[in-house]
Amino acid sequence: KAGVTQTPRYLIKTRGQQVTLSCSPISGHRSVSWYQQTPGQGLQFLFEYFSETQRNKGNFPGRFSGRQFSNSRSEMNVSTLELGDSALYLCASSLVPRENTGELFFGEGSRLTVL
Amino acid sequence: SQQGEEDPQALSIQEGENATMNCSYKTSINNLQWYRQNSGRGLVHLILIRSNEREKHSGRLRVTLDTSKKSSSLLITASRAADTASYFCATGDRGSTLGRLYFGRGTQLTVWP
Repeated sequence: KAGVTQTPRYLIKTRGQQVTLSCSPISGHRSVSWYQQTPGQGLQFLFEYFSETQRNKGNFPGRFSGRQFSNSRSEMNVSTLELGDSALYLCASSLVPRENTGELFFGEGSRLTVL
Repeated sequence: SQQGEEDPQALSIQEGENATMNCSYKTSINNLQWYRQNSGRGLVHLILIRSNEREKHSGRLRVTLDTSKKSSSLLITASRAADTASYFCATGDRGSTLGRLYFGRGTQLTVWP
């Protein structure tokens, strides 16, 4: 069974640009979450989607957005990039979005560098 | 705000030794999970312990949970060089959905051959 696939793995952007990251969950997983990982702030929750609906959102500005498609694939977008947006963006999927009852399966991440 | 906080921040041991990492959290939880991350890679789930469990084993891993102290520990026995990685504890608020976890800053474990 294929794992969580994130594309692109690495990308470099300049301030003011926007970026779209993609995540394909494990087949059959319908819940997708996104996390930002930086040396300063650690792992921070961005948002969670299930059945194309955003179920939870972290404390990030409106420049960060996401969506989920009917095939459970998800994308996140960051507009008007800032230097501080440089980070490893991790996507995770889970089988069912029950209350804290199982593990998350993470992709390898998309490493974004903003110059 | 983050719930889990690991201690120590860094741990360096020789192969064959045991490694113990601790995690403290702040609010009521349904379960606590431990994840491993090799440098710059994705996180890999190691073990989950529910709030009504006190100890759990998986291979060379032993996890304990003390809900009265809001703390957990991860013990890796007979460490190997391949265990070199960052280890994170993760919790979710009671009533929250699965996908929203709070991660600590992690413990960087280095195992020397």
